[in-house]
Amino acid sequence: DTGVSQNPRHKITKRGQNVTFRCDPISEHNRLYWYRQTLGQGPEFLTYFQNEAQLEKSRLLSDRFSAERPKGSFSTLEIQRTEQGDSAMYLCASYRGRTGELFFGEGSRLTVL
Amino acid sequence: TQLLEQSPQFLSIQEGENLTVYCNSSSVFSSLQWYRQEPGEGPVLLVTVVTGGEVKKLKRLTFQFGDARKDSSLHITAAQPGDTGLYLCAGARRNAGGTSYGKLTFGQGTILTVHP
Repeated sequence: DTGVSQNPRHKITKRGQNVTFRCDPISEHNRLYWYRQTLGQGPEFLTYFQNEAQLEKSRLLSDRFSAERPKGSFSTLEIQRTEQGDSAMYLCASYRGRTGELFFGEGSRLTVL
Repeated sequence: TQLLEQSPQFLSIQEGENLTVYCNSSSVFSSLQWYRQEPGEGPVLLVTVVTGGEVKKLKRLTFQFGDARKDSSLHITAAQPGDTGLYLCAGARRNAGGTSYGKLTFGQGTILTVHP
């Protein structure tokens, strides 16, 4: 257990529906990262927050994706009008700046039918 | 794009054998991390190497960072079935301000299967 929790762990939805994932990072870490991992690949960076500010977004994050971290604690990742290509594991990570290390949650697996 | 190439992509060995996984890039990283991931779970950090030429040992696992900080290797001695999993290397770089930066570039992973 890394101390990072994500929910739901699994989500099956129909194409066109909206989904939201939540991440609760390690409380003393002020940076939070979202990654996406498809089958057979390593994780790919999506976006990150420093406290409540979203400081960088990947080109992978289309306008159907939105992430928030309203109070600098938990974060949400919403995907609107889901497509089959959105099927993946969405990973949240808490960042320890002192050592430059990421601590990942168990991930939220999305299946779009 | 800074790419990290891992090899081999698949490794199937018998219990007790030794193995090495390689992670190579044409880019320099400020640090390199190795993760192990089991199906349906998130990656779990094994080690971080920071200094060129650094060697770290974690029980039967030995990690090395290349002198030029462009490559790394993971060596497992006397592999056990419990070592089975996906091994990922990930490189980190510093931002413009020179501070450590958590945006990692991952390799595609090595799937290791150790048969009893």
